[in-house]
Amino acid sequence: GENVEQHPSTLSVQEGDSAVIKCTYSDSASNYFPWYKQELGKRPQLIIDIRSNVGEKKDQRIAVTLNKTAKHFSLHITETQPEDSAVYFCAASPGGFKTIFGAGTRLFVKA
Amino acid sequence: DAGVIQSPRHEVTEMGQEVTLRCKPISGHDYLFWYRQTMMRGLELLIYFNNNVPIDDSGMPEDRFSAKMPNASFSTLKIQPSEPRDSAVYFCASSRGQNAPELFFGEGSRLTVL
Repeated sequence: GENVEQHPSTLSVQEGDSAVIKCTYSDSASNYFPWYKQELGKRPQLIIDIRSNVGEKKDQRIAVTLNKTAKHFSLHITETQPEDSAVYFCAASPGGFKTIFGAGTRLFVKA
Repeated sequence: DAGVIQSPRHEVTEMGQEVTLRCKPISGHDYLFWYRQTMMRGLELLIYFNNNVPIDDSGMPEDRFSAKMPNASFSTLKIQPSEPRDSAVYFCASSRGQNAPELFFGEGSRLTVL
């Protein structure tokens, strides 16, 4: 089955700096790669996603890149703000059905 | 739509007791998922349903865990007997499936087994 690895587990940046979170997946059948943000005590919520027929996608300060050959995908947050502090999960989905999550990255943005 | 609704929000029980967690998915969503979240193991997929039929239960930890979906608007996750290591936040999520795979999570049920 699918296995998703995520790094780093913790990331601390200064407000205004960029943050990058990297993930790898194992199942070549995976074709949908979402990213979820979970604030403390809250539910995970989708912030951006990318499908395997696209190499890059951007939404304001957030961008995702996908390298299908290497089975790598990354989340880039630019101009970080304190409200970006949360746990971020990458995930992979073979066929867009069941979704397997990485272990999560706890992002701290220092004001 | 009210979103995915889970109950109870918090449950504290003693080892050996039966626990039942409940979920109402978003109307029109054909897929329902149960996840368990712990610090050690992250978000684990336990089981998912399509049109009320269990499709993949390979994540269910052991026979003490069971899940049902008697109709399109209701699902339960049962643990019997419960053990302290079952303590976690259990999330239910629903989606429209392949063409709209975004997961919509409920607020979760925090289970503490003493």
